[in-house]
Amino acid sequence: DAGVTQSPTHLIKTRGQQVTLRCSPKSGHDTVSWYQQALGQGPQFIFQYYEEEERQRGNFPDRFSGHQFPNYSSELNVNALLLGDSALYLCASTWGGLNEQFFGPGTRLTVL
Amino acid sequence: SQQGEEDPQALSIQEGENATMNCSYKTSINNLQWYRQNSGRGLVHLILIRSNEREKHSGRLRVTLDTSKKSSSLLITASRAADTASYFCAPPYSGAGSYQLTFGKGTKLSVIP
Repeated sequence: DAGVTQSPTHLIKTRGQQVTLRCSPKSGHDTVSWYQQALGQGPQFIFQYYEEEERQRGNFPDRFSGHQFPNYSSELNVNALLLGDSALYLCASTWGGLNEQFFGPGTRLTVL
Repeated sequence: SQQGEEDPQALSIQEGENATMNCSYKTSINNLQWYRQNSGRGLVHLILIRSNEREKHSGRLRVTLDTSKKSSSLLITASRAADTASYFCAPPYSGAGSYQLTFGKGTKLSVIP
């Protein structure tokens, strides 16, 4: 049983560019959340997708957007990249809402 | 706003010793989860404890929850070098119908062989 998978593993972009990160949830999970983790900090909630809709959103600007597909996989898009967007982006999946959330290995984004 | 705060921020012990990490949170919760993170990698789910549970075990891990004090603790017994990692508690955000987890900066555990 594959766990949560994310791609790519690493990514380097320049300021102003756009990036798309991808996540496949654990088998049987229908809910995907995205988190941003800056160096030395804990993860910060970006948003959660359920039934292809954004169910909840954290304190992140509109430059951060997402999508969930019918197979429950998800994408995180970030437009107009800033240096401060450099971080580890984590995807987590669960079923329902408040059950255990399982995280993927993350995508390390570096913005130059 | 941030919910969970771990204490201490860093902990260094010898292999074979026990390690205790504490977590405090601010408002009522339905459950609380603990995670481990090896350097720069994804979070590994350790345990979920519900508000009606006082203690839960998983292998060498023991988690307690005191809802009256709004605190939780994670005990790792007979620690190993492989336990070296950052540990996070993650209560859900306090907003009504909230599904988001909130994280502090974690406890950085170093187990010296």
